[in-house]
Amino acid sequence: NAGVTQTPKFRILKIGQSMTLQCTQDMNHNYMYWYRQDPGMGLKLIYYSVGAGITDKGEVPNGYNVSRSTTEDFPLRLELAAPSQTSVYFCASSYSPGDRDYTDTQYFGPGTRLTVL
Amino acid sequence: GQQVMQIPQYQHVQEGEDFTTYCNSSTTLSNIQWYKQRPGGHPVFLIQLVKSGEVKKQKRLTFQFGEAKKNSSLHITATQTTDVGTYFCAVSAYDKVIFGPGTSLSVIP
Repeated sequence: NAGVTQTPKFRILKIGQSMTLQCTQDMNHNYMYWYRQDPGMGLKLIYYSVGAGITDKGEVPNGYNVSRSTTEDFPLRLELAAPSQTSVYFCASSYSPGDRDYTDTQYFGPGTRLTVL
Repeated sequence: GQQVMQIPQYQHVQEGEDFTTYCNSSTTLSNIQWYKQRPGGHPVFLIQLVKSGEVKKQKRLTFQFGEAKKNSSLHITATQTTDVGTYFCAVSAYDKVIFGPGTSLSVIP
Protein backbone atom coordinates (compact mmCIF):
# COMPACT_ATOMS: atom_id res chain seq x y z
CA ASN A 1 0.00 0.00 0.00
CA ALA A 2 1.25 3.48 -0.86
CA GLY A 3 -0.96 4.99 1.85
CA VAL A 4 -1.77 8.65 1.24
CA THR A 5 0.00 10.33 -1.65
CA GLN A 6 0.02 14.03 -2.47
CA THR A 7 1.18 15.93 -5.53
CA PRO A 8 2.94 18.20 -6.10
CA LYS A 9 5.51 18.29 -3.28
CA PHE A 10 6.35 21.94 -3.86
CA ARG A 11 4.73 24.75 -5.82
CA ILE A 12 5.17 28.48 -6.25
CA LEU A 13 2.15 30.44 -7.45
CA LYS A 14 1.68 34.05 -8.41
CA ILE A 15 -1.12 36.04 -6.82
CA GLY A 16 -4.39 35.37 -8.64
CA GLN A 17 -3.34 32.04 -10.14
CA SER A 18 -5.24 28.87 -9.39
CA MET A 19 -4.18 25.27 -8.87
CA THR A 20 -5.35 21.87 -7.67
CA LEU A 21 -3.59 19.90 -4.98
CA GLN A 22 -4.04 16.19 -5.54
CA CYS A 23 -4.59 13.60 -2.81
CA THR A 24 -5.09 9.87 -3.24
CA GLN A 25 -5.40 7.07 -0.70
CA ASP A 26 -5.41 3.34 -1.35
CA MET A 27 -6.61 2.13 2.06
CA ASN A 28 -10.33 2.27 1.23
CA HIS A 29 -10.86 4.84 3.98
CA ASN A 30 -14.22 6.57 4.01
CA TYR A 31 -13.04 9.80 5.67
CA MET A 32 -10.61 12.24 4.07
CA TYR A 33 -9.37 15.62 5.27
CA TRP A 34 -7.42 18.65 4.14
CA TYR A 35 -5.36 20.62 6.66
CA ARG A 36 -3.07 23.59 6.35
CA GLN A 37 -0.15 24.20 8.65
CA ASP A 38 1.46 27.60 8.82
CA PRO A 39 5.10 27.82 10.01
CA GLY A 40 5.42 26.90 13.69
CA MET A 41 1.69 26.46 14.06
CA GLY A 42 -0.76 23.61 14.46
CA LEU A 43 -3.08 22.00 11.93
CA LYS A 44 -6.19 23.82 10.75
CA LEU A 45 -8.94 21.83 9.04
CA ILE A 46 -9.95 23.24 5.65
CA TYR A 47 -12.47 20.69 4.34
CA TYR A 48 -13.33 17.10 5.02
CA SER A 49 -15.35 14.32 3.48
CA VAL A 50 -17.13 11.39 5.10
CA GLY A 51 -17.56 9.52 1.84
CA ALA A 52 -17.76 9.85 -1.93
CA GLY A 53 -20.06 12.68 -2.92
CA ILE A 54 -20.11 14.24 0.56
CA THR A 55 -17.95 17.17 1.64
CA ASP A 56 -18.16 19.70 4.43
CA LYS A 57 -16.37 22.81 5.60
CA GLY A 58 -13.79 22.82 8.33
CA GLU A 59 -12.35 25.71 10.29
CA VAL A 60 -10.79 27.70 7.41
CA PRO A 61 -12.60 26.92 4.10
CA ASN A 62 -12.54 30.38 2.48
CA GLY A 63 -10.57 30.49 -0.76
CA TYR A 64 -10.71 26.71 -1.27
CA ASN A 65 -12.99 24.15 -2.88
CA VAL A 66 -13.06 20.36 -2.79
CA SER A 67 -14.80 17.48 -4.48
CA ARG A 68 -14.98 13.77 -3.71
CA SER A 69 -16.15 11.84 -6.75
CA THR A 70 -14.41 8.61 -5.71
CA THR A 71 -13.41 6.99 -2.42
CA GLU A 72 -9.73 7.29 -3.34
CA ASP A 73 -9.38 10.91 -4.46
CA PHE A 74 -9.94 14.18 -2.64
CA PRO A 75 -8.50 17.13 -4.61
CA LEU A 76 -8.25 20.62 -3.11
CA ARG A 77 -8.75 23.57 -5.45
CA LEU A 78 -7.29 27.02 -4.82
CA GLU A 79 -8.92 29.80 -6.81
CA LEU A 80 -7.31 33.25 -7.00
CA ALA A 81 -4.28 32.42 -4.86
CA ALA A 82 -3.33 34.96 -2.19
CA PRO A 83 -0.14 35.33 -0.08
CA SER A 84 -2.18 34.32 3.00
CA GLN A 85 -2.49 30.86 1.44
CA THR A 86 1.26 30.27 1.68
CA SER A 87 1.41 27.18 3.86
CA VAL A 88 2.02 23.45 3.99
CA TYR A 89 -1.04 21.46 2.99
CA PHE A 90 -1.60 17.99 4.38
CA CYS A 91 -4.16 15.50 3.21
CA ALA A 92 -5.21 12.72 5.59
CA SER A 93 -7.57 9.77 5.59
CA SER A 94 -9.13 7.56 8.22
CA TYR A 95 -11.77 4.92 8.66
CA SER A 96 -14.85 5.65 10.73
CA PRO A 97 -17.33 2.86 11.50
CA GLY A 98 -20.27 5.24 11.56
CA ASP A 99 -20.18 6.45 15.16
CA ARG A 100 -19.86 10.16 14.51
CA ASP A 101 -18.08 10.74 17.81
CA TYR A 102 -15.37 8.23 17.02
CA THR A 103 -12.77 8.11 14.34
CA ASP A 104 -9.82 5.85 13.84
CA THR A 105 -6.20 6.71 13.17
CA GLN A 106 -5.54 9.47 10.66
CA TYR A 107 -2.90 8.69 8.05
CA PHE A 108 -1.21 11.72 6.60
CA GLY A 109 0.35 12.34 3.22
CA PRO A 110 3.81 13.94 2.96
CA GLY A 111 2.41 17.40 2.34
CA THR A 112 2.51 20.06 -0.38
CA ARG A 113 4.58 23.16 0.33
CA LEU A 114 2.89 26.09 -1.38
CA THR A 115 4.26 29.61 -1.70
CA VAL A 116 2.19 32.44 -3.16
CA LEU A 117 4.17 35.48 -4.31
CA GLY B 1 -17.60 24.52 20.42
CA GLN B 2 -14.98 21.92 21.17
CA GLN B 3 -11.70 23.37 22.42
CA VAL B 4 -8.47 21.48 22.84
CA MET B 5 -5.54 23.00 24.69
CA GLN B 6 -2.01 21.74 25.11
CA ILE B 7 0.67 22.85 27.53
CA PRO B 8 3.42 23.73 27.36
CA GLN B 9 3.73 25.26 23.91
CA TYR B 10 7.50 24.73 23.87
CA GLN B 11 9.86 22.65 25.98
CA HIS B 12 13.64 22.55 25.86
CA VAL B 13 15.26 19.70 27.77
CA GLN B 14 18.74 18.33 28.22
CA GLU B 15 19.15 14.89 26.73
CA GLY B 16 18.32 12.33 29.40
CA GLU B 17 15.76 14.52 31.17
CA ASP B 18 12.09 13.61 31.28
CA PHE B 19 9.37 15.46 29.36
CA THR B 20 5.60 15.71 29.80
CA THR B 21 2.94 17.39 27.68
CA TYR B 22 -0.67 17.80 28.70
CA CYS B 23 -3.82 17.94 26.62
CA ASN B 24 -7.07 19.35 28.00
CA SER B 25 -10.53 19.38 26.48
CA SER B 26 -13.53 21.54 27.28
CA THR B 27 -15.83 18.53 26.90
CA THR B 28 -15.82 14.82 27.74
CA LEU B 29 -14.09 12.81 25.04
CA SER B 30 -14.90 9.46 23.45
CA ASN B 31 -11.24 8.90 22.63
CA ILE B 32 -7.99 10.77 22.22
CA GLN B 33 -5.11 10.27 19.85
CA TRP B 34 -1.50 11.40 19.97
CA TYR B 35 0.64 12.24 16.96
CA LYS B 36 4.27 13.18 16.49
CA GLN B 37 5.57 15.46 13.75
CA ARG B 38 9.30 15.61 13.11
CA PRO B 39 10.66 18.92 11.78
CA GLY B 40 9.83 19.11 8.08
CA GLY B 41 7.73 15.96 8.23
CA HIS B 42 4.10 15.03 8.49
CA PRO B 43 2.12 13.98 11.59
CA VAL B 44 2.47 10.31 12.44
CA PHE B 45 0.04 8.46 14.65
CA LEU B 46 1.44 7.29 17.99
CA ILE B 47 -1.45 5.90 20.00
CA GLN B 48 -5.16 6.04 20.76
CA LEU B 49 -6.72 5.99 24.24
CA VAL B 50 -10.36 5.07 24.74
CA LYS B 51 -11.02 4.03 28.33
CA SER B 52 -11.24 6.24 31.41
CA GLY B 53 -7.96 6.14 33.33
CA GLU B 54 -6.25 4.15 30.60
CA VAL B 55 -2.44 4.02 30.63
CA LYS B 56 -0.45 2.75 27.66
CA LYS B 57 3.29 2.48 27.21
CA GLN B 58 5.48 2.45 24.14
CA LYS B 59 9.10 1.97 25.22
CA ARG B 60 10.03 5.29 26.88
CA LEU B 61 6.64 6.91 26.13
CA THR B 62 3.75 6.68 28.60
CA PHE B 63 0.27 7.87 27.63
CA GLN B 64 -2.53 8.44 30.11
CA PHE B 65 -6.23 9.25 29.70
CA GLY B 66 -7.85 11.08 32.60
CA GLU B 67 -10.52 9.50 34.77
CA ALA B 68 -13.06 12.07 33.60
CA LYS B 69 -11.96 11.61 29.95
CA LYS B 70 -11.32 15.34 29.57
CA ASN B 71 -7.53 15.34 29.68
CA SER B 72 -4.54 13.29 28.68
CA SER B 73 -0.79 13.32 29.08
CA LEU B 74 2.25 12.07 27.24
CA HIS B 75 5.39 11.45 29.28
CA ILE B 76 8.78 10.65 27.79
CA THR B 77 11.40 9.16 30.10
CA ALA B 78 15.08 9.96 29.50
CA THR B 79 14.64 11.96 26.30
CA GLN B 80 16.85 11.33 23.30
CA THR B 81 17.62 13.53 20.31
CA THR B 82 15.31 11.31 18.24
CA ASP B 83 12.40 12.57 20.36
CA VAL B 84 12.67 16.06 18.85
CA GLY B 85 9.47 17.23 17.19
CA THR B 86 5.99 18.49 17.88
CA TYR B 87 3.51 16.35 19.75
CA PHE B 88 -0.17 16.84 19.01
CA CYS B 89 -3.21 15.44 20.72
CA ALA B 90 -6.34 15.00 18.62
CA VAL B 91 -9.96 14.41 19.56
CA SER B 92 -13.05 13.32 17.67
CA ALA B 93 -15.81 15.88 17.30
CA TYR B 94 -18.77 14.82 15.20
CA ASP B 95 -17.24 13.72 11.89
CA LYS B 96 -14.16 15.85 12.44
CA VAL B 97 -10.88 15.42 14.24
CA ILE B 98 -9.67 18.47 16.11
CA PHE B 99 -5.96 18.80 16.77
CA GLY B 100 -4.48 20.61 19.72
CA PRO B 101 -1.93 23.36 19.01
CA GLY B 102 0.95 20.99 19.83
CA THR B 103 3.96 20.98 22.13
CA SER B 104 7.29 21.51 20.43
CA LEU B 105 10.11 19.55 22.08
CA SER B 106 13.78 20.42 21.66
CA VAL B 107 16.43 18.12 23.08
CA ILE B 108 19.88 19.54 23.80
CA PRO B 109 22.58 16.88 23.37
